[in-house]
Amino acid sequence: DTGVSQDPRHKITKRGQNVTFRCDPISEHNRLYWYRQTLGQGPEFLTYFQNEAQLEKSRLLSDRFSAERPKGSFSTLEIQRTEQGDSAMYLCASSPPTGGYNEQFFGPGTRLTVL
Amino acid sequence: DQQVKQNSPSLSVQEGRISILNCDYTNSMFDYFLWYKKYPAEGPTFLISISSIKDKNEDGRFTVFLNKSAKHLSLHIVPSQPGDSAVYFCAARGLNNAGNMLTFGGGTRLMVKP
Repeated sequence: DTGVSQDPRHKITKRGQNVTFRCDPISEHNRLYWYRQTLGQGPEFLTYFQNEAQLEKSRLLSDRFSAERPKGSFSTLEIQRTEQGDSAMYLCASSPPTGGYNEQFFGPGTRLTVL
Repeated sequence: DQQVKQNSPSLSVQEGRISILNCDYTNSMFDYFLWYKKYPAEGPTFLISISSIKDKNEDGRFTVFLNKSAKHLSLHIVPSQPGDSAVYFCAARGLNNAGNMLTFGGGTRLMVKP
């Protein structure tokens, strides 16, 4: 399978705990995106990497959210001191290097439930 | 503010008929529009796209129409099939968006009845 993969698929945690999600993009894709989707809404952009550089992070929801892509391959999204409002589907997407328009390929998502 | 809106949360269509899903946007800086389909427990899957310099793009049973003056786009599925039943999201990219950041609408659930 050469699609975008995410791990874990489901995470249940207690309020106040830290959680970390992993995303493995399609191998030749240098652009990687994180989105959050809450019930009944469309995905909401969080952050974007081009190779290992995080080029856009102003949309991260608070300073409890951080993301890394240390070697320009897989990425992690961490949420510290989780709150019940963080419960959502966290989606990762990737796209190839290009100067033109192209679609983003999404992974299956990690569903987070904060109790 | 919701820059991309899908005002119909659901749509039911008979198999073989046309499905028309609508999307409105407010940001005139959007230059590229996409439709994604999402099945339960899966991530969104790209369906079709259109550049703002065009008014129509067709791919098999799927056609996207763009009316820039009305800031409106629509997705036509003809003929509709039961396997098309899913949630459809429209998305838009702006000229000044970092790295192809997409802004999504809230989605429309399409149900195609056999």
